[in-house]
Amino acid sequence: GAVVSQHPSRVICKSGTSVKIECRSLDFQATTMFWYRQFPKQSLMLMATSNEGSKATYEQGVEKDKFLINHASLTLSTLTVTSAHPEDSSFYICSAADPANQETQYFGPGTRLLVL
Amino acid sequence: GDSVTQMEGPVTLSEEAFLTINCTYTATGYPSLFWYVQYPGEGLQLLLKATKADDKGSNKGFEATYRKETTSFHLEKGSVQVSDSAVYFCARGDRNYGGSQGNLIFGKGTKLSVKP
Repeated sequence: GAVVSQHPSRVICKSGTSVKIECRSLDFQATTMFWYRQFPKQSLMLMATSNEGSKATYEQGVEKDKFLINHASLTLSTLTVTSAHPEDSSFYICSAADPANQETQYFGPGTRLLVL
Repeated sequence: GDSVTQMEGPVTLSEEAFLTINCTYTATGYPSLFWYVQYPGEGLQLLLKATKADDKGSNKGFEATYRKETTSFHLEKGSVQVSDSAVYFCARGDRNYGGSQGNLIFGKGTKLSVKP
């Protein structure tokens, strides 16, 4: 099946710094990628939809200036958490939509962010 | 609002036991329904799906039937194995969201542990 990778898998940073998370579709081209956030024992919450070559669409309540998303190529989307604070600590998961069937998403393994 | 509710875990079963994980949804219209599985250390993988009422999704011995009258999509397996130990997420899609792109709304996940 299709593979989506994320890097890094785990990151610890100081408060006030910025962190970039990469999401790559390894064996297919993805015009649409999604970024989710998952709190402990909670469901995945969609943060934004990333479309290649255009601005991301953010869900209500998600600060676009805080969570910068860039989808510059058909195989790479990046999420940058700017000026991170402890409350941004979470598990961030990306997915890429199957180009043949947009309802099917392939998920990355997730990135654990801890802001001290 | 629209949501997905699934039974809380953890669920602990002995090998070869029968498994049911309940999932109900609320939505306007008739969304596609999904079960995703997350094995330890891996990303979410699509386990099965159903796109319309009375459809039955099946894969790897797991089954779920789209029940419009009870707005449910319960996951079942007749005989679980140790290798089925994972977190299972119920999700609903909305093919009308954002045009052709598929948004997913997830339940909180149910952790299954199967003991030998």
